[in-house]
Amino acid sequence: AQTVTQSQPEMSVQEAETVTLSCTYDTSENNYYLFWYKQPPSRQMILVIRQEAYKQQNATENRFSVNFQKAAKSFSLKISDSQLGDTAMYFCAFKPFGNEKLTFGTGTRLTIIP
Amino acid sequence: DGGITQSPKYLFRKEGQNVTLSCEQNLNHDAMYWYRQDPGQGLRLIYYSQIVNDFQKGDIAEGYSVSREKKESFPLTVTSAQKNPTAFYLCASSILRTGDSPLHFGNGTRLTVT
Repeated sequence: AQTVTQSQPEMSVQEAETVTLSCTYDTSENNYYLFWYKQPPSRQMILVIRQEAYKQQNATENRFSVNFQKAAKSFSLKISDSQLGDTAMYFCAFKPFGNEKLTFGTGTRLTIIP
Repeated sequence: DGGITQSPKYLFRKEGQNVTLSCEQNLNHDAMYWYRQDPGQGLRLIYYSQIVNDFQKGDIAEGYSVSREKKESFPLTVTSAQKNPTAFYLCASSILRTGDSPLHFGNGTRLTVT
């Protein structure tokens, strides 16, 4: 069974600074997908970024980028030039290739301080 | 606009009563999912369905039941057998293709059982 670990329950950073959220996972699969989801106070889950394990290039989406280290089974999220609207719970998630089950971590509560 | 509708937003029930949470999507997605969210535990998969009239148990299916009679609808019944039903419930859907298709989430239903 896959497990996803987010070791930082809470983080806070000043507006405009850069912050990195950690995620590690445990799997015996070779092909899989990784995701970061954001859940703001409205509780609507929103996809932030995704990464395919067989792609070595790290995914980027505007101010959001990942550092994917397959050998270390690490998938951290970097938020640059953080904004007040980035305040949310952030969940890391794992999905094996050919399987529809998405496994989530326990989340990191990120607060952007004005 | 296409999306996923969960209703109601808040639901209150007495212990021992079954209750059904509604989930409807007009995205023409094949797969639908139910997750449960508790503080400090992230999202845990209850049931998922990849096709009409078929569904699979997730990690915490005990005390829950589902049906998938129509592609657009995936209701979840919380039965009296569920020992700790008070939680936030999220419905999601996705396209079945290569596996990297993200989940689209509804706004959730907060169930309180007393």
